[in-house]
Amino acid sequence: GQQVMQIPQYQHVQEGEDFTTYCNSSTTLSNIQWYKQRPGGHPVFLIQLVKSGEVKKQKRLTFQFGEAKKNSSLHITATQTTDVGTYFCAGANAGGTSYGKLTFGQGTILTVHP
Amino acid sequence: DGGITQSPKYLFRKEGQNVTLSCEQNLNHDAMYWYRQDPGQGLRLIYYSQIVNDFQKGDIAEGYSVSREKKESFPLTVTSAQKNPTAFYLCASSSGPGTEAFFGQGTRLTVV
Repeated sequence: GQQVMQIPQYQHVQEGEDFTTYCNSSTTLSNIQWYKQRPGGHPVFLIQLVKSGEVKKQKRLTFQFGEAKKNSSLHITATQTTDVGTYFCAGANAGGTSYGKLTFGQGTILTVHP
Repeated sequence: DGGITQSPKYLFRKEGQNVTLSCEQNLNHDAMYWYRQDPGQGLRLIYYSQIVNDFQKGDIAEGYSVSREKKESFPLTVTSAQKNPTAFYLCASSSGPGTEAFFGQGTRLTVV
């Protein structure tokens, strides 16, 4: 079945440093989504990427979708303590009987030291 | 308020007992999902339903059962066959296949 791998598992940064998490799927995706889960909370949708090579920005966050629609990245510029949490990617199946099924990566736990 | 509601937030059960987790949404979403979250393992899909009266097994369905008799409701039963049921369970819904998922607050199940 489809697998979505996400690295790194943990990332500790000083406030002001940049942060990147990477996501790779074993199969071609119809889209990829990114979620953030604050400690003790539930995942909250950040963004969805659909087109090959797509790049989207949300303030200090930059999201990219690979040309083959199998990988993606999230980059945070100049991290702040409010960025603390676990960032998940989720890939949606491109077709077949599992069309639309969302498979989550393991997540990257981001810690920001003030 | 529109949203997705899971209850209860914390649940304790004795080993060998079945337990049902509630998930209700008033977002008029067709698709609903159940995920299990364990430390360091992300979210693993248990079951999902794209439409009423239909559901599919996810990656870790063994020891779980679901029903989808109403569009608004997608309860999950954790049976005694589930070998390691203690976990954080998250329910989600979306308007269609592969679209943005809205999550409930989660139910933390502890089996003793």
